[in-house]
Amino acid sequence: DGGITQSPKYLFRKEGQNVTLSCEQNLNHDAMYWYRQDPGQGLRLIYYSQIVNDFQKGDIAEGYSVSREKKESFPLTVTSAQKNPTAFYLCASSIVSTGDTGELFFGEGSRLTVL
Amino acid sequence: GNSVTQMEGPVTLSEEAFLTINCTYTATGYPSLFWYVQYPGEGLQLLLKATKADDKGSNKGFEATYRKETTSFHLEKGSVQVSDSAVYFCALLNSGGYQKVTFGTGTKLQVIP
Repeated sequence: DGGITQSPKYLFRKEGQNVTLSCEQNLNHDAMYWYRQDPGQGLRLIYYSQIVNDFQKGDIAEGYSVSREKKESFPLTVTSAQKNPTAFYLCASSIVSTGDTGELFFGEGSRLTVL
Repeated sequence: GNSVTQMEGPVTLSEEAFLTINCTYTATGYPSLFWYVQYPGEGLQLLLKATKADDKGSNKGFEATYRKETTSFHLEKGSVQVSDSAVYFCALLNSGGYQKVTFGTGTKLQVIP
């Protein structure tokens, strides 16, 4: 079955540590996204990528980094510079083509807790 | 810039009650509009969408009509079930440029038997 796989589902981190969240898709989608979800704030865009080896900052990129070396993969690193990293992180993908309506396909999320 | 405003939750309804979740938007041009649903502990999934004015999106008994004159996309269902308990997000994608979707803050729906 095609879809988006995020791992790990739960992650605990000590302050000062970097952590990397994995996101893999087998939908052959060009675009991939990372969102952060906090209670009462909806989804906020961290980074997005429309093609391999290219990515753009979203609304809250500070303290995060990404790479897009393969079409299928878009890992997110939460660095020690992120002051409030405890959140639910969602990866998504979409087709990028003329006439496409922009539907996003989401993974099941990764919950990061900083101890 | 683009923005989406949803009614605050939580919304608590009895089973078989009528549901309305209000959504209004601000955007330039002609955005596509979406409702996504998030069940507990899961990611979001598309519930329905509309791509132009007066279009009606529908799925699983839910409906929403794209009203350009009132910049609204309210979600309705005639008879809710306990299994509809979830968080509902209204979202828009503006035409042209990169595909950056703007989400509302979400409305939690709890349906009690």
